[in-house]
Amino acid sequence: GQQLNQSPQSMFIQEGEDVSMNCTSSSIFNTWLWYKQDPGEGPVLLIALYKAGELTSNGRLTAQFGITRKDSFLNISASIPSDVGIYFCAGYKGGSEKLVFGKGTKLTVNP
Amino acid sequence: SAVISQKPSRDICQRGTSLTIQCQVDSQVTMMFWYRQQPGQSLTLIATANQGSEATYESGFVIDKFPISRPNLTFSTLTVSNMSPEDSSIYLCSLSRTEETQYFGPGTRLLVL
Repeated sequence: GQQLNQSPQSMFIQEGEDVSMNCTSSSIFNTWLWYKQDPGEGPVLLIALYKAGELTSNGRLTAQFGITRKDSFLNISASIPSDVGIYFCAGYKGGSEKLVFGKGTKLTVNP
Repeated sequence: SAVISQKPSRDICQRGTSLTIQCQVDSQVTMMFWYRQQPGQSLTLIATANQGSEATYESGFVIDKFPISRPNLTFSTLTVSNMSPEDSSIYLCSLSRTEETQYFGPGTRLLVL
């Protein structure tokens, strides 16, 4: 089935650094979602984006819905060790379409 | 959001046996979903389980292998039947109150020997 192109696949950063990851698609989505999955847990919804160009923040996290509706990015500022985990993007086209997921970005933060 | 619980949280099973996973939500919801997440992979939708109707399965998943029940608006079960080692995965239920946004349970970690 269709998947979103999520990059990078993994990141190794130092505590305090900023992080940026993105998702792209060849087709248009009406909703973009960003989830974080901690080891041994289910994905937790971080940010939901519903409109092209929308920029939304949740604490140190900021996500944007691309103008073309074919991409989205997530930024994490001033990373801390508890930011470690796998971040998934997901897109929704509308109607009876299912949620489409990226392959995830695995983030490691070195203290 | 909602509080979603799954039982069991993890299990180790012998091949050829079946396991039923329960998903309980703290409030009524129409749309519930079951996903599989194979080791190191992303999430794959198994089926949509709406109350009052038969579950709708995605390509590659069949009712005989993954029977689903949805007896009311707060509960659903997924059975993994006649298990093989390839069924070792995390199984996740999710719910949706609006079409666009889904919330996930904590998952059931299944290892089949």
